[in-house]
Amino acid sequence: EAGVAQSPRYKIIEKRQSVAFWCNPISGHATLYWYQQILGQGPKLLIQFQNNGVVDDSQLPKDRFSAERLKGVDSTLKIQPAKLEDSAVYLCASSLNSAGKYEQYFGPGTRLTVT
Amino acid sequence: AQSVAQPEDQVNVAEGNPLTVKCTYSVSGNPYLFWYVQYPNRGLQFLLKYITGDNLVKGSYGFEAEFNKSQTSFHLKKPSALVSDSALYFCAVRDDSNYQLIWGAGTKLIIKP
Repeated sequence: EAGVAQSPRYKIIEKRQSVAFWCNPISGHATLYWYQQILGQGPKLLIQFQNNGVVDDSQLPKDRFSAERLKGVDSTLKIQPAKLEDSAVYLCASSLNSAGKYEQYFGPGTRLTVT
Repeated sequence: AQSVAQPEDQVNVAEGNPLTVKCTYSVSGNPYLFWYVQYPNRGLQFLLKYITGDNLVKGSYGFEAEFNKSQTSFHLKKPSALVSDSALYFCAVRDDSNYQLIWGAGTKLIIKP
């Protein structure tokens, strides 16, 4: 079975520019998560989708970050305008969340550098 | 509130020796516990989980974890460490209310030849 796909793998932008990340979850996984991970730290949840609806976006900086999952499958995360402190790895994960299958599977991540 | 603690920032083990990475948890109901590994410049990889049943759970790459309800612990173990096991390890517990994972701070495991 194919894993979680993310693109791009790396992105370098200047502050105040915009950037978008794409994620395609494992087929059949209804729950999709976007995380931000600072080097050496644990992942911080930004937003959680159940199918195409938002379950939790309480930690998403909504003045600059947005995310969508229009058809309940793949998802995009956007930052506009970017700040220096947004430099991090952005991870997408998906989970079945039923029948004991509660583990999340992660994509390779997008490393964002804001200069 | 549910929480996970990894008391060691770093664990150093000689190759071939057994390794243990510690995790303790606090939950209000039955715990669903997970271990993940992160190699440099890679995403998080699922290693193993405890949902119910046998207290000794086996996972990928020869790792296992022991669930201890009385000590509220879920320590990760491996009988014989490899240099390639050097990575960052995260323990997590599921929040029953929203299907989110509550993450530990991570433990850096260094295996020396």
